[in-house]
Amino acid sequence: AQKITQTQPGMFVQEKEAVTLDCTYDTSDPSYGLFWYKQPSSGEMIFLIYQGSYDQQNATEGRYSLNFQKARKSANLVISASQLGDSAMYFCAMRERKGAQKLVFGQGTRLTINP
Amino acid sequence: GAGVSQSPSNKVTEKGKDVELRCDPISGHTALYWYRQSLGQGLEFLIYFQGNSAPDKSGLPSDRFSAERTGGSVSTLTIQRTQQEDSAVYLCATVAGGNYQETQYFGPGTRLLVL
Repeated sequence: AQKITQTQPGMFVQEKEAVTLDCTYDTSDPSYGLFWYKQPSSGEMIFLIYQGSYDQQNATEGRYSLNFQKARKSANLVISASQLGDSAMYFCAMRERKGAQKLVFGQGTRLTINP
Repeated sequence: GAGVSQSPSNKVTEKGKDVELRCDPISGHTALYWYRQSLGQGLEFLIYFQGNSAPDKSGLPSDRFSAERTGGSVSTLTIQRTQQEDSAVYLCATVAGGNYQETQYFGPGTRLLVL
C-alpha cells in the first residue's frame, strides 16, 4: 500500500534562511507522482510543486525545489530565502498510476518563519 | 468560476441530523475526489468519481456516508445521522482527466461541526 511519511511535526526557521521539509514514501507502483501542498491557517490547499517518478531532473518552481532521491524514496521540499508568508502547514502527497489515483497524504509539517 | 467551489463553508448541526455538502468542480474536470481532514491531521480519501460513476468508494467510513455526482459536474456528499466523530473539514478536489501526473485542485472546504 502506498504510504507517505513526514517526520517533522514542526519546524522553526529564521526569515531569509533556506528550509528543507522531509518526505519519504513507499509504493510498489513504478509510475507515481509526488506533490507538495501548502495549507495556510485559512485552510485552503495550495499546490506548490510536482515530481514524476520518471523525471530525471529535480523539479523547481520559483523559490521551491524538490530534492528527489528515488533510490531512497525521498522527496524533500526545499524553500529558499524563506518569507513570513511561508508560515503554514506543508503536506507531501503521492498519486499512483493504478487504481483511483487518489492522493495519499503525509501528516504534514507546520513551518513557522520567525522575523 | 475559475476554481473549485464548495458550500456551505461552515455547517453546525446536531447529532443525528443529516447534512449535505456540495462541490462545484472546475469546468471540464472529469475526475472528482472527496477527502476529509480531521483536526490537526492529514487528509484521508473518501470517494472518487470519474464522470458520474464512483469506481472507488473505499474511503467512506460507514454506510451513513454517500455521495453522488450528476451531469459530470456537481457532487454532493451526504452524511446521515451525523455523529460527533464526523466533525472535520471536508475537501473536494478535481482533476482535468485520468492522468496520475495531473494536479488535483482543491476547493476551500466545508467545516462541519456536529454538536
